Amino acid sequence: DAGVTQSPTHLIKTRGQQVTLRCSPKSGHDTVSWYQQALGQGPQFIFQYYEEEERQRGNFPDRFSGHQFPNYSSELNVNALLLGDSALYLCASSRVAGGTEAFFGQGTRLTVV
Amino acid sequence: GENVEQHPSTLSVQEGDSAVIKCTYSDSASNYFPWYKQELGKGPQLIIDIRSNVGEKKDQRIAVTLNKTAKHFSLHITETQPEDSAVYFCAAIHPNRDDKIIFGKGTRLHILP
Repeated sequence: DAGVTQSPTHLIKTRGQQVTLRCSPKSGHDTVSWYQQALGQGPQFIFQYYEEEERQRGNFPDRFSGHQFPNYSSELNVNALLLGDSALYLCASSRVAGGTEAFFGQGTRLTVV
Repeated sequence: GENVEQHPSTLSVQEGDSAVIKCTYSDSASNYFPWYKQELGKGPQLIIDIRSNVGEKKDQRIAVTLNKTAKHFSLHITETQPEDSAVYFCAAIHPNRDDKIIFGKGTRLHILP
């Protein structure tokens, strides 16, 4: 079992550009959540996908959007990148129903210049 | 919404000594409290968790205690080893906001030789 895999591991983008990050959940998991972790901070919840729909959303602008595919994999899209979007983006997968153990990927380090 | 406070932000202990990290949460309805360890360049890894119907849980050198009345929970690591050096995050999950993990800001633990 490969666990949660994310790609790419590192990415450098220019302010104003758009970026797509990808996540494959752990085998048997059907729910994918995305988190943003700024340097020296705890992860902040962006949104969660289940059954190809956004189920919950944190306090992030509409520039952040996502998608979940029938195979449960997911993408995070960020438009009109700002310098402040530079962070580690983490994907977590779990099985549906609250309170279950979530497994995190290694993250994608996004740098906006 | 839920808010999780974590202290201290940095902790240095001599190898072999114990380390304690403390957290408080604001929403009394939260019922699941995981602890994550994050090593450099990696995503958070679940190390132990506790549910609100339990006061204490132990797994080898790691234990977690929960005081629902005071809305406090703590992580205890005994006989610390160099490989325990990492950033530790406490977190809380509300049963009606399935799997949305609210993290503390983290504690950087240094194990001194």
